[in-house]
Amino acid sequence: KAGVTQTPRYLIKTRGQQVTLSCSPISGHRSVSWYQQTPGQGLQFLFEYFSETQRNKGNFPGRFSGRQFSNSRSEMNVSTLELGDSALYLCASSSGLTSGAGELFFGEGSRLTVL
Amino acid sequence: QQQVKQSPQSLIVQKGGISIINCAYENTAFDYFPWYQQFPGKGPALLIAIRPDVSEKKEGRFTISFNKSAKQFSLHIMDSQPGDSATYFCAASASGNTPLVFGKGTRLSVIA
Repeated sequence: KAGVTQTPRYLIKTRGQQVTLSCSPISGHRSVSWYQQTPGQGLQFLFEYFSETQRNKGNFPGRFSGRQFSNSRSEMNVSTLELGDSALYLCASSSGLTSGAGELFFGEGSRLTVL
Repeated sequence: QQQVKQSPQSLIVQKGGISIINCAYENTAFDYFPWYQQFPGKGPALLIAIRPDVSEKKEGRFTISFNKSAKQFSLHIMDSQPGDSATYFCAASASGNTPLVFGKGTRLSVIA
């Protein structure tokens, strides 16, 4: 069974640009959640989706947005990039309704560097 | 506001020793407490989890101890091995309807 796939794995952007990250969950999983990982803050919850509906949203500015498609694949977008957005963005899928309902299966992440 | 406070930030343990990582929470609605293990270049993976109906859960060399009254839980790694060197995250959620919130992580180094 294929794991969670995130693309791209690495990307470099400049301030003010926007970026779109993609996540393909494990087959059969309908829940996808996104986390931002930085050395100082650990894993911070961004948002999560179940069957194309946003279930929960973390405490991030509106520049961070996401969506989920009918095939459960998800994308997140960050507009007007700031230096502080440099981080590893992790996607996780699960068979539960939310990320808190059971085991999360993480991808290897998309490492974003903002210059 | 950090919902789950994890300590220490980093830990160095001799091979064969016991590694102990602690977490504390405030939200009494939390009822699911997993630990995740992350190796460099990889995403976190579930290591072990506990619910508040038991005070301890053991899987191999890994044990979670849970103290509901103190709102604390900890991970014990017995007979620590160099292969256990990784970052460990505690986490918590409430009733399966809220997102999983993580501690800031503990970088464990097991030296021979």
